[in-house]
Amino acid sequence: QVQLVQSGAEVKKPGSSVKISCETSGYPFTSHTVAWVRQAPGQGLEFVGQILPLFDSLKYAQRFQGRVTITAGASTVYMELSSLTSEDTAVYYCARVFTKYNYGQAQYFYMDVWGTGTTVTVSS
Amino acid sequence: DIQMTQSPSTLSASVGDRVTITCRASQSIGNSLAWYQQQPGKAPKLLLSDVSTLEGGFSSRFSGSGSGTEFTLTISSLQPDDFATYYCQHYDSYSLSTFGQGTKVEIK
Repeated sequence: QVQLVQSGAEVKKPGSSVKISCETSGYPFTSHTVAWVRQAPGQGLEFVGQILPLFDSLKYAQRFQGRVTITAGASTVYMELSSLTSEDTAVYYCARVFTKYNYGQAQYFYMDVWGTGTTVTVSS
Repeated sequence: DIQMTQSPSTLSASVGDRVTITCRASQSIGNSLAWYQQQPGKAPKLLLSDVSTLEGGFSSRFSGSGSGTEFTLTISSLQPDDFATYYCQHYDSYSLSTFGQGTKVEIK
């Protein structure tokens, strides 16, 4: 079955960077988009960005532009976030975005499978 | 980007109650709406897609309706496992995904 397995918890200093991974299995990796969504303590879900490995097509939320880099390797998606502050303390989830193709153009739908989350703590 | 607004933020209800959560979009989104259920300390789970398509593993007491800018999630008879936080999400290929702020369903 489709699975997304995330890397372990991270503790980082303010100003540093963190890179977390999401290993996928159970489906054709390049064909579906993988998104990153974060959740600060006691808060709601916030879209960070996504990648469609087939085309290396990227989308980033405006507030993370310039600070986030999402890449894809062999069945694994990575998210690197730089210039960390305490406000980046959150659980970061990866999720598969169900993707269809219409005349070669990708269409993005709902997030149908989620990883278990990676806790990133930013503290001095 | 399109804004999604959920109401209420918190809902207190009893087992057996019928509950309704509303999600409003800042502009028309057709039927590109999903609902997620999140239990405490767990990842969200897709509950409904395309407004009203129920995911496998969820009871038919969950239903979704609406179109355009106003959508509802209804739980026909609340069960103990249903006490959780629910999020709506707009998706499309031309803008970024956006989530509502969430509705926590708690025990009255």
